[in-house]
Amino acid sequence: KQEVTQIPAALSVPEGENLVLNCSFTDSAIYNLQWFRQDPGKGLTSLLLIQSSQREQTSGRLNASLDKSSGRSTLYIAASQPGDSATYLCAGGTSGSRLTFGEGTQLTVNP
Amino acid sequence: SAVISQKPSRDICQRGTSLTIQCQVDSQVTMMFWYRQQPGQSLTLIATANQGSEATYESGFVIDKFPISRPNLTFSTLTVSNMSPEDSSIYLCSVEDVRGPTYEQYFGPGTRLTVT
Repeated sequence: KQEVTQIPAALSVPEGENLVLNCSFTDSAIYNLQWFRQDPGKGLTSLLLIQSSQREQTSGRLNASLDKSSGRSTLYIAASQPGDSATYLCAGGTSGSRLTFGEGTQLTVNP
Repeated sequence: SAVISQKPSRDICQRGTSLTIQCQVDSQVTMMFWYRQQPGQSLTLIATANQGSEATYESGFVIDKFPISRPNLTFSTLTVSNMSPEDSSIYLCSVEDVRGPTYEQYFGPGTRLTVT
């Protein structure tokens, strides 16, 4: 059974700082790894998806990497802004297109 | 990317009653999913709903409690039956978009349910 863990659970940084969010998974047979953003009381916004054959994906100030052998993914946010404050969730895709979610990292970027 | 809407956006219900949540997608999709997010927790998959077949439920979820309909390729409903306060959660539907090279999942805005 796939288990996904995210570290840290919460992170508070000053504006402008570069930061890394970590995600680990137990089953290396994932077929993709997806990062989402969730604002309080809202649904999920897809940020980046990395297929199992890929090592990383980039979108603007976001870069996500995937290392299947070690069971890890990271989300790098460059030059953080207060608008980046949200909960970030990673999810591993397995058989039947099921997504297993981590508990999330609650990010606060202070002006 | 697929655009998903849900109704209602939120509701407050009394225990013992049932609520049906609707999920509408702007394009035809094969696979739709229903998730639950309990307060302060992450998302848990309830079931997978494919058009033309019975929904597939995850361990811990049963059809009598969470009946699902999937009448066509753009619509699905989830009913939360005989509700108790423990059912207070955000319920989200998602779809798998296979139009591109990746099988990315997109989520609706969620339905916030409070059971009193």
